[in-house]
Amino acid sequence: DTEVTQTPKHLVMGMTNKKSLKCEQHMGHRAMYWYKQKAKKPPELMFVYSYEKLSINESVPSRFSPECPNSSLLNLHLHALQPEDSALYLCASRRTGGDQPQHFGDGTRLSIL
Amino acid sequence: GNSVTQMEGPVTLSEEAFLTINCTYTATGYPSLFWYVQYPGEGLQLLLKATKADDKGSNKGFEATYRKETTSFHLEKGSVQVSDSAVYFCALYQAGTALIFGKGTTLSVSS
Repeated sequence: DTEVTQTPKHLVMGMTNKKSLKCEQHMGHRAMYWYKQKAKKPPELMFVYSYEKLSINESVPSRFSPECPNSSLLNLHLHALQPEDSALYLCASRRTGGDQPQHFGDGTRLSIL
Repeated sequence: GNSVTQMEGPVTLSEEAFLTINCTYTATGYPSLFWYVQYPGEGLQLLLKATKADDKGSNKGFEATYRKETTSFHLEKGSVQVSDSAVYFCALYQAGTALIFGKGTTLSVSS
């Protein structure tokens, strides 16, 4: 069982839709991450939040908009996506300081029609 | 910059065979090293980690030793099972940087 919970597990949306992905953890981790993963590839970092503030944006298109409402919750708002945005979107969290590992959720599989 | 190189596979083995997946890294200083496993349809799970030279990480019969002299962190298991079939990612982390993944190695174990 993963301690990072992502919803929904699957999402199909049209290019004009607006939807949101949700990630939740209750481990007290203060660093949270969004990754995009294409089939048979490693995850690609999109955004990093540290203490609820955006600290890294890896040049992600503005059609992806992250939000961290509190220390347990991370959202990714989607709007006007393209077919190439179809992928597995993974959330991760990490206890800050030292060499703590990142803990991943099971992801949301997103398909853009 | 930092980087991780791992054998891409696929690696195909029979049940109870010995497994080695090679991983080497490039980094300044002393990074932490991790192996993650991704089962079909799931996210990444931390398999094991090592944070300093000569540390051995182990979990579920898998082992890897942090070798500073050869900049390696090879994953081994003495007897694989069908349930070990998955994609394995070697990863490196240093403070102030992102987690860097290798390209992943697909393992397929048949009975």
